[in-house]
Amino acid sequence: EAQVTQNPRYLITVTGKKLTVTCSQNMNHEYMSWYRQDPGLGLRQIYYSMNVEVTDKGDVPEGYKVSRKEKRNFPLILESPSPNQTSLYFCASSLSALTGVTYEQYFGPGTRLTVT
Amino acid sequence: ILNVEQSPQSLHVQEGDSTNFTCSFPSSNFYALHWYRWETAKSPEALFVMTLNGDEKKKGRISATLNTKEGYSYLYIKGSQPEDSATYLCAFKDYGGSQGNLIFGKGTKLSVKP
Repeated sequence: EAQVTQNPRYLITVTGKKLTVTCSQNMNHEYMSWYRQDPGLGLRQIYYSMNVEVTDKGDVPEGYKVSRKEKRNFPLILESPSPNQTSLYFCASSLSALTGVTYEQYFGPGTRLTVT
Repeated sequence: ILNVEQSPQSLHVQEGDSTNFTCSFPSSNFYALHWYRWETAKSPEALFVMTLNGDEKKKGRISATLNTKEGYSYLYIKGSQPEDSATYLCAFKDYGGSQGNLIFGKGTKLSVKP
């Protein structure tokens, strides 16, 4: 089954404790992206990757890191989480045109993160 | 940051009503416009990706139109059903900006009463 998986689905952690949220897709998509969703603010893009070893900042990259060493995986790293990073996080993937995102995105199930 | 506006924020209709809502985006440097459907406690699912001015796309009772010159897209639902209750998101990609940067609107939340 074609899918995007994220782990963990739920996480409660404390300020400053490094964490990684994994994202994996089995559709051989070049493009992957991370979003956070906060009430009243909609989906905001954190980082994206056009292909292996190619990553770029979205609109809200502060406090996050990503890597794209393999095509299928795109982990999101919070080196020192803070309470303002409490949010619902979505990973997404799609095929990509060389010039930008013109194909439908497939979203993972979401990760609800709480930082106390 | 580019601005993508969706209106109305929320909408309550009766089963069988037809409805429509709007996504407004910058009219310059248009590249692509996405529509997604997001049910509560699930993940967003793609409805349409539109790239050409005048595009019209249809999936069942849902259709969308695109006007890139004036910077808007309409999503129409014909004969709304309770299962259409969801938040509908649009997302805009400009030409010449960061390659993979997709800007989402805040969504229109549709509630369909039986």
